[in-house]
Amino acid sequence: RKEVEQDPGPFNVPEGATVAFNCTYSNSASQSFFWYRQDCRKEPKLLMSVYSSGNEDGRFTAQLNRASQYISLLIRDSKLSDSATYLCVVRGGGFKTIFGAGTRLFVKA
Amino acid sequence: DAGVIQSPRHEVTEMGQEVTLRCKPISGHNSLFWYRQTMMRGLELLIYFNNNVPIDDSGMPEDRFSAKMPNASFSTLKIQPSEPRDSAVYFCASSDGTSGYEQYFGPGTRLTVT
Repeated sequence: RKEVEQDPGPFNVPEGATVAFNCTYSNSASQSFFWYRQDCRKEPKLLMSVYSSGNEDGRFTAQLNRASQYISLLIRDSKLSDSATYLCVVRGGGFKTIFGAGTRLFVKA
Repeated sequence: DAGVIQSPRHEVTEMGQEVTLRCKPISGHNSLFWYRQTMMRGLELLIYFNNNVPIDDSGMPEDRFSAKMPNASFSTLKIQPSEPRDSAVYFCASSDGTSGYEQYFGPGTRLTVT
């Protein structure tokens, strides 16, 4: 079993749609969780950290479920510019972080 | 503020040659990470440093790979000798250890070994 697993997609959604991604992790001692966004041929960029109580940043909402060991990302009112690969990232103890393989999103007009 | 700087941005070399990739982390960040990304294997952590000291190099694929961080503002990743299967995008990232250790990535070096 991979340490961090994501549905690779692709997710094809129309503009204005709501889309959700899930990610599961295997290490119950994991301490920090993030969502990164990666555009084609670019570097990963931090989208948001994921806090235990859940957190929201504009159209983006992240949730953490420690009991079931998964995190989620919800994107409301999708824009064309949201088209990218979304990477789930989990940090265990120390500095070591594990990246998921990513979920591809295509938002179409 | 300058982000993470990597050089070169592109490198094409022949099998057997030595390749050196360079990284300058964000000023004030005390942790530095080297990653490799391929279509087949995704983003893999190769090695990371904290306060210039290598902490975990378990992701380094073979003895052909080595990394150094002689000071807080510079790191290198060397491949000697290079092989075609080393072709990938190599990213450097840095973190200041706050906010859960958020990492900030450089633009990457696209390496092609022929």
